[in-house]
Amino acid sequence: GDSVTQMEGPVTLSEEAFLTINCTYTATGYPSLFWYVQYPGEGLQLLLKATKADDKGSNKGFEATYRKETTSFHLEKGSVQVSDSAVYFCALSPRGSYIPTFGRGTSLIVHP
Amino acid sequence: DAGVIQSPRHEVTEMGQEVTLRCKPISGHDYLFWYRQTMMRGLELLIYFNNNVPIDDSGMPEDRFSAKMPNASFSTLKIQPSEPRDSAVYFCASTHGRDSPLHFGNGTRLTVT
Repeated sequence: GDSVTQMEGPVTLSEEAFLTINCTYTATGYPSLFWYVQYPGEGLQLLLKATKADDKGSNKGFEATYRKETTSFHLEKGSVQVSDSAVYFCALSPRGSYIPTFGRGTSLIVHP
Repeated sequence: DAGVIQSPRHEVTEMGQEVTLRCKPISGHDYLFWYRQTMMRGLELLIYFNNNVPIDDSGMPEDRFSAKMPNASFSTLKIQPSEPRDSAVYFCASTHGRDSPLHFGNGTRLTVT
């Protein structure tokens, strides 16, 4: 079946550091890929998405590129802020499906 | 757009009591999902509906759990009787199209003592 693997956290960084959170997936066909963010006490919300190979999703300074050859969708940000502290979830949705598969989530802690 | 609305935000109850969680999806979204989130298991899909009809409830842990969607704007998740191991954050989410992202509510934090 489909699966998503994320790096385990927590990831702890100082403000303005570079962020990478790794995500790899296993799926048949060509799924859509998503990153969701969950701030404390809130539900998950979409951060960015990509629907086909080589697409780059971006939002709020975060980026991720759909790499079909390595089945990866790593999340990056050039300079993190304290306000980016949250849990980040990688997810895939099989083509033509409504049902996403989520990774376990990676906690990010940014110190001033 | 008010987003997905869940109530209550917090629920504390004693073991053996009935618990009902409520959800109002975004208008026009025809898929609704119930998830449970715990530290141990992460995010688990319990059940989802399409056009108010339950499609897959294989994630519902046991017969103590039941879910209904009487109309397009309301769904409930009921636990009867509740047990301490049901303590978790329960999320409702909705979506409107294939390959579209889910929109989550802010969840109900359930504590069963």
